[in-house]
Amino acid sequence: DGGITQSPKYLFRKEGQNVTLSCEQNLNHDAMYWYRQDPGQGLRLIYYSQIVNDFQKGDIAEGYSVSREKKESFPLTVTSAQKNPTAFYLCASSIVLWGTEAFFGQGTRLTVV
Amino acid sequence: GQQVMQIPQYQHVQEGEDFTTYCNSSTTLSNIQWYKQRPGGHPVFLIQLVKSGEVKKQKRLTFQFGEAKKNSSLHITATQTTDVGTYFCAGFSGNTPLVFGKGTRLSVIA
Repeated sequence: DGGITQSPKYLFRKEGQNVTLSCEQNLNHDAMYWYRQDPGQGLRLIYYSQIVNDFQKGDIAEGYSVSREKKESFPLTVTSAQKNPTAFYLCASSIVLWGTEAFFGQGTRLTVV
Repeated sequence: GQQVMQIPQYQHVQEGEDFTTYCNSSTTLSNIQWYKQRPGGHPVFLIQLVKSGEVKKQKRLTFQFGEAKKNSSLHITATQTTDVGTYFCAGFSGNTPLVFGKGTRLSVIA
């Protein structure tokens, strides 16, 4: 089945450690996105990528990094510089950037203690 | 920058009552999308509106795009418990990333 997969579903890390969240899609989509969701805040854009080897900062990129070495994969690293990393992280993809339906993964709930 | 405001933040209805959520953009939009997120789940695309004044229906759901392409609404007729979740609008203005509203959380009391 085609889809977008995030792993793991739940992740716990100690403060000061970097952590990488996985996002893989087999929909052959060019565009991929990372969003952060906090209660009552909606979806806030962290990074987005229009094509392989290209990515752009979103509204809240500080403390995060990404790579897009393959079309299928768009991993997100939450670094120790992110002041408040505990959140629900959603990866999404679409055929082209912005103007078409976005397909979301199941999300990763990161808790930093 | 572009802002998308969505109201109300919460709505509690009795099963069978109607429900409406409204979305307003600070700028003219090229298109607007609507998503539904069930509790504990991820957003799922419902629809995209592109034309000024456009109205689209999906069973009990009616979506409207304003004439000025700066506002939109989602109306659910005769809510059911399966309608529970958070409804998000997301606006695209053509030269900036898609901007999501903060969502309206719908609770349906049986």
